[in-house]
Amino acid sequence: GDSVTQMEGPVTLSEEAFLTINCTYTATGYPSLFWYVQYPGEGLQLLLKATKADDKGSNKGFEATYRKETTSFHLEKGSVQVSDSAVYFCALRANQAGTALIFGKGTTLSVSS
Amino acid sequence: GAVVSQHPSWVICKSGTSVKIECRSLDFQATTMFWYRQFPKQSLMLMATSNEGSKATYEQGVEKDKFLINHASLTLSTLTVTSAHPEDSSFYICSAIAETQYFGPGTRLLVL
Repeated sequence: GDSVTQMEGPVTLSEEAFLTINCTYTATGYPSLFWYVQYPGEGLQLLLKATKADDKGSNKGFEATYRKETTSFHLEKGSVQVSDSAVYFCALRANQAGTALIFGKGTTLSVSS
Repeated sequence: GAVVSQHPSWVICKSGTSVKIECRSLDFQATTMFWYRQFPKQSLMLMATSNEGSKATYEQGVEKDKFLINHASLTLSTLTVTSAHPEDSSFYICSAIAETQYFGPGTRLLVL
């Protein structure tokens, strides 16, 4: 079945450092890909998404590019802030109406000043 | 964006009791809602897909008689954990699809 694999955490960075969180997927067909973020004590929020190969999703300085050839959707940010500390989940959804998101295990990011 | 609410946000109960969790889409109608379970420091595991007016579809390994799902209207789905045991303690999250998939804030269940 479909699955998502993302890098193990926690990831600990200093403010203004470069961030990469790797995500690869296994799926039949051409799924849509997502990054969700969960801040401490809050619910999941959509961070960005891409629905087809070579699409780049971006939001709040975060970017991820849908790479079909490497089945990857790595999350990047050029300069992290303390407020970016959260758990980040990579997810996919098959392009079929009514299907649920399948999540990776999540990566905890901790940014210190 | 669309809002999904859950009630209660926290519940503590004794072993053997049943607990009902409500999930509401506040400003849109959701034909389909999803229930997830999240263990500490782990990912969200899909438990079941809830379809308005029909039976829920459960994922493999999820006991349908233990986790009763009722999607009685286009804005409300309920998850009832029957005869709860300590191993049912977890964070339960519902989700509904509008133009994208929105998540409720979650319900933390602690079974003593």
